[in-house]
Amino acid sequence: EPEVTQTPSHQVTQMGQEVILRCVPISNHLYFYWYRQILGQKVEFLVSFYNNEISEKSEIFDDQFSVERPDGSNFTLKIRSTKLEDSAMYFCASRRDRVNTEAFFGQGTRLTVV
Amino acid sequence: SQKIEQNSEALNIQEGKTATLTCNYTNYSPAYLQWYRQDPGRGPVFLLLIRENEKEKRKERLKVTFDTTLKQSLFHITASQPADSATYLCALDDSWGKLQFGAGTQVVVTP
Repeated sequence: EPEVTQTPSHQVTQMGQEVILRCVPISNHLYFYWYRQILGQKVEFLVSFYNNEISEKSEIFDDQFSVERPDGSNFTLKIRSTKLEDSAMYFCASRRDRVNTEAFFGQGTRLTVV
Repeated sequence: SQKIEQNSEALNIQEGKTATLTCNYTNYSPAYLQWYRQDPGRGPVFLLLIRENEKEKRKERLKVTFDTTLKQSLFHITASQPADSATYLCALDDSWGKLQFGAGTQVVVTP
């Protein structure tokens, strides 16, 4: 069964450092997403990406965040200067079509900012 | 502002019984509504999708209803099993591809 893979599974970083979270979406999917989940809270949308550009982003996704699809298979989320409040589980997801289809989520990267 | 509400209290249920979970939303007109299962420390896993013009959808022991007038979806797990213990998330799909999740309801099925 196809799956979305994310690396690393856990990342600890110092405040102010840059981190890159990596994802390999399902190969024939066209729509890619990042979500985050702070411990004990709900899953929150960060950004959607289609045709090599951002199609929508939330208020959380400020100038410190960026996404990229560098090589046609990987999909990355970069946080330029991490803050303590960026500590969360980050999930990558992909969908075959924009509507009427399920989203496939990766297992997540747990980011801990110290 | 848009709001999605799910029962915050855990639902404790005996094996074999039917679990019923509620998702209510306001200030929103989703084209689709989805239900996901989430286990601790894991990503959400898709269960069912229902369109705004569908009243009910079934998949094995799962059933979901969608009432756009009441702005409510009900999710049923029949003949529940301990393996069904997890958190169940309601997600509104705005047809632009973004999912907006409720906080989820934890279900605990005891033998």
